[in-house]
Amino acid sequence: SQKIEQNSEALNIQEGKTATLTCNYTNYSPAYLQWYRQDPGRGPVFLLLIRENEKEKRKERLKVTFDTTLKQSLFHITASQPADSATYLCAPMDSSYKLIFGSGTRLLVRP
Amino acid sequence: DAGVTQSPTHLIKTRGQQVTLRCSPKSGHDTVSWYQQALGQGPQFIFQYYEEEERQRGNFPDRFSGHQFPNYSSELNVNALLLGDSALYLCASTERNRDGYTFGSGTRLTVV
Repeated sequence: SQKIEQNSEALNIQEGKTATLTCNYTNYSPAYLQWYRQDPGRGPVFLLLIRENEKEKRKERLKVTFDTTLKQSLFHITASQPADSATYLCAPMDSSYKLIFGSGTRLLVRP
Repeated sequence: DAGVTQSPTHLIKTRGQQVTLRCSPKSGHDTVSWYQQALGQGPQFIFQYYEEEERQRGNFPDRFSGHQFPNYSSELNVNALLLGDSALYLCASTERNRDGYTFGSGTRLTVV
């Protein structure tokens, strides 16, 4: 069955450093991969989408890579801020627009 | 521009009862998906509606059913509620061939 794995342990970093979150998937060949941010008690918020033919995508302080050979995506937040503290969800998507989420990685940015 | 609106925000039901949750998608969006999120877990895909038909379904029993109306709004129905159905139910909408889903804030369902 399709499986999406994200680091279950929280990532704790110092303000100003780069946060790197990992998403691995198996038994799946997504056409797209999306990243979302979720704050406690709220719905996920869309951040970035990367297509299978794209290696890297950037948006302001965010960068996403997508390696279809390794079946892995990396999500980077540069110059991290305490306001970046949240849970980040990886969500591969196939051409049917069915979005499947990983369990998320909690990021804590210390001031 | 209103995003995705879900109602009610909170709900308490008794085991064995039935519940209906409602979702109004973001303006211009035609595809609606429903998710169940347990505490500390990622959202689990229930089903997706497009053009008033269920297009995709996750690994949920037939007790979970839904509907999409001509105005693209949607309902999620759960029959014979179990304690394990207690969760945050999220509705998400998108427009075909566009990036990203917009999520509502969810309905917190508690089954006692």
